[in-house]
Amino acid sequence: EVQLLESGGGLVQPGGSLRLSCAASGFSFSNYWMSWVRQAPGKGLEWVANIKQDGSDKFYADSVGGRFTISRDNAKNSLYLQMNGLRAEDTALYYCATLMYRSTWFIDYWGQGTLVTVSS
Amino acid sequence: DIQMTQSPSSLSASVGDRVTITCRASQSISNSLNWYQQKPGQVPKLLIYGASSLQSGVPSRFSGSGSGTDFIFTISSLQPEDFASYYCQHSLRAPWAFGQGTKVEIK
Repeated sequence: EVQLLESGGGLVQPGGSLRLSCAASGFSFSNYWMSWVRQAPGKGLEWVANIKQDGSDKFYADSVGGRFTISRDNAKNSLYLQMNGLRAEDTALYYCATLMYRSTWFIDYWGQGTLVTVSS
Repeated sequence: DIQMTQSPSSLSASVGDRVTITCRASQSISNSLNWYQQKPGQVPKLLIYGASSLQSGVPSRFSGSGSGTDFIFTISSLQPEDFASYYCQHSLRAPWAFGQGTKVEIK
């Protein structure tokens, strides 16, 4: 059974930093592209970033580019999101997700999310 | 960047109704369009990928169509468990984008 367990969320002041982690199990983590998606309270879904299986390709939403860094450690079956220069608008539930390609790319499995609150 | 415009933002319908949601891309995305369902307090769930392919295990009352810039998501006969929010999402190239979502409520 695929399991994605996010951690590292919490309350942080504007301008601060936070590192999110996602522990993956139940599948061959190193074979999958991975993604972070966020959802502000009561709002819609927003794609944040994708990373290739070996970490060699990374893509970011314009809203987080230059501030957030996605990375992975295949030996530890873990995905990360380093968030710097946090703003109030970054407040959201952050989901870790697996990506699948079957004629097109889509988000396959989702974790339960970790909540990030940016406030003074 | 490609923007996704989804409509309506909400709708009220009765059990058994046919429900249609539209999604428009700001430029052609071929068939790189997915549909997700999210119930309150739950994580999103993939229903349709590649504009019209039904994800395994998803009931056949859900369907999708379209290509290029205009897409349609349909629930042929709304069931009580279908009251949720629905999102389109393009995956042609980064940056990916979701539509604003459609909340389907009970009439």
